[in-house]
Amino acid sequence: AAGVIQSPRHLIKEKRETATLKCYPIPRHDTVYWYQQGPGQDPQFLISFYEKMQSDKGSIPDRFSAQQFSDYHSELNMSSLELGDSALYFCASRKEGGSLWNEQYFGPGTRLTVT
Amino acid sequence: SQQGEEDPQALSIQEGENATMNCSYKTSINNLQWYRQNSGRGLVHLILIRSNEREKHSGRLRVTLDTSKKSSSLLITASRAADTASYFCATDLQGAQKLVFGQGTRLTINP
Repeated sequence: AAGVIQSPRHLIKEKRETATLKCYPIPRHDTVYWYQQGPGQDPQFLISFYEKMQSDKGSIPDRFSAQQFSDYHSELNMSSLELGDSALYFCASRKEGGSLWNEQYFGPGTRLTVT
Repeated sequence: SQQGEEDPQALSIQEGENATMNCSYKTSINNLQWYRQNSGRGLVHLILIRSNEREKHSGRLRVTLDTSKKSSSLLITASRAADTASYFCATDLQGAQKLVFGQGTRLTINP
């Protein structure tokens, strides 16, 4: 079965640079979530989209923005990168009203390293 | 503060023994999920238990949920070295859709 795809899997950037992370949800899933997991930390919710509209917002810095496109893929844009942004970034998708309501399927993550 | 707190933070047992991890949360939930994560890798969904369920089994996994105590436990029976990983509980809050993760239990199975 198709899973959530994230690209790139690894990304190395320098401070003050920008980064774009991409997420391709499972086909027919209409909701996308972004989570950030710092070293030794639990995943923290950043932002979510349902039908291309922002549906919820967590502890996402103002330097970050995200959107969901017409094909339901999502991109997380990160600007003025800081060392503390180094983390694993997970995308998850869900089908609103699916039989397993609110079960989120996670992608493999993008490991961002800021030097 | 975290919605979910896990206990213990680290657990080391011998292969073949059972491992029990606990999770507590603070507000009403729709369901509670357990995930496994190998070091620096992706989150693997283990099991979902709904708020109206009390116990659920999947292979060597047994999950209980006590909504009156706002707590859940994950039991792994007959542990194997391959079970070594971090285990997270995650709750979805009523009225919200995001998952709130606990701090995780780092489980080490010694051969």
